Amino acid sequence: QSVLTQPPSVSGAPGQRVTISCTGSSSNLGAASHVHWYQHLPGAAPKLLIFANTNRPSGVPDRFSGSRSGTSASLAISGLRAEDEADYYCQSYDVSLSGSVFGGGTKLTVL
Amino acid sequence: QVEVVESGGGVVQPGRSLRLSCAASGFTFRNYDMDWVRQAPGKGLDWVAVITYDGRNKYYAESVKGRFTISRDNSQNTLYLHLNSLTTEDTAVYHCVRGGGSGTDRFFDSWGQGTPVTVSS
Repeated sequence: QSVLTQPPSVSGAPGQRVTISCTGSSSNLGAASHVHWYQHLPGAAPKLLIFANTNRPSGVPDRFSGSRSGTSASLAISGLRAEDEADYYCQSYDVSLSGSVFGGGTKLTVL
Repeated sequence: QVEVVESGGGVVQPGRSLRLSCAASGFTFRNYDMDWVRQAPGKGLDWVAVITYDGRNKYYAESVKGRFTISRDNSQNTLYLHLNSLTTEDTAVYHCVRGGGSGTDRFFDSWGQGTPVTVSS
């Protein structure tokens, strides 16, 4: 059971927009900790996609965007492409556990 | 470019020990906090431990506290994870990760491919 809750899977057709939710609690997202997002392609190392709720590292397309409100956060992917098919994880810091925590991951399928 | 390369994984019996290494290059290693994150087969990402840039402070996930030890050698640009009293629950790919941000807003901005650890009798 992960500290942050994500849907196990989402899907969309090429060109569509999908969102992935991440729900936390008062000891992580509700404690004003930032949320960060990672993309994990099959056979590759995980890659930072969004940091500090809404910021994209250099090289990440603006098709990827993040938002956060209270104890929840979302990752949106617009203009879906086949190469976006991957597992996506949210991550934050939990003040009760004194450590970083991840969501259980969401598998994105591009139909 | 930033690169972290893990080594030292393998198959080990329950109760035994293992030491993982992570060679860092392409950045000033001594300036960054470093973490280990693992992924068990078919499971999600699981944070294991962090060590501050100067090696003075170390923090662990509850599941490994007292059994794993994180350390670093800034003169060799190398991060370590000593795994003791291993159980089958520790079977996972272990990733070396460079930390970004600070305090409660830490994130992981560069990841290695990982080294697999299998605990089996």
